[in-house]
Amino acid sequence: NAGVTQTPKFHILKIGQSMTLQCTQDMNHNYMYWYRQDPGMGLKLIYYSVGAGITDKGEVPNGYNVSRSTTEDFPLRLELAAPSQTSVYFCASEAGGSSYNEQFFGPGTRLTVL
Amino acid sequence: GENVEQHPSTLSVQEGDSAVIKCTYSDSASNYFPWYKQELGKGPQLIIDIRSNVGEKKDQRIAVTLNKTAKHFSLHITETQPEDSAVYFCAASDVEGSARQLTFGSGTQLTVLP
Repeated sequence: NAGVTQTPKFHILKIGQSMTLQCTQDMNHNYMYWYRQDPGMGLKLIYYSVGAGITDKGEVPNGYNVSRSTTEDFPLRLELAAPSQTSVYFCASEAGGSSYNEQFFGPGTRLTVL
Repeated sequence: GENVEQHPSTLSVQEGDSAVIKCTYSDSASNYFPWYKQELGKGPQLIIDIRSNVGEKKDQRIAVTLNKTAKHFSLHITETQPEDSAVYFCAASDVEGSARQLTFGSGTQLTVLP
């Protein structure tokens, strides 16, 4: 199993541009999450999904959109990028069905908006 | 919402000594407290977790304690080794039965000096 994979690993975006961060998991997990990690800070939840076709906002959803058309994929869309969106983005997945299942994280995407 | 504070932000110990990282949380409804280790350039990885009905849990050199009355929990690493050097995050969750929204602390950079 590859686990949780994310692409790209690094990207530089110009202000006002849009892009999609890709996330795929091969563990057949129901739950998936997107977090952002700013320097010296903990991870903050952007969006999450409990299954295909179901998404919900986390703590910091503004400026982002997500979709979940399949169990495996959970892309994060940035529209009209702003410098405040410069961060490291992590995708995670979880089996679901219990409050105590482990969240597995991908390697992250380092995004710079200039 | 939940707020998690973590101390210290940096910690240096001599190889073989013990390391202790402390976290406090604000929401008395929180019932799950995981600890993650993040190595440079990688995503966080779960190292140990504790549920609210347990006061202490051990896994080889790692232990976590929970004081629900005081709303704090701690990570203890004994006989530290250079490979323990990483950033450690505590987290808390207050959602039962559906996708958990983890609230993370700001992280502790642990350096084990040879």
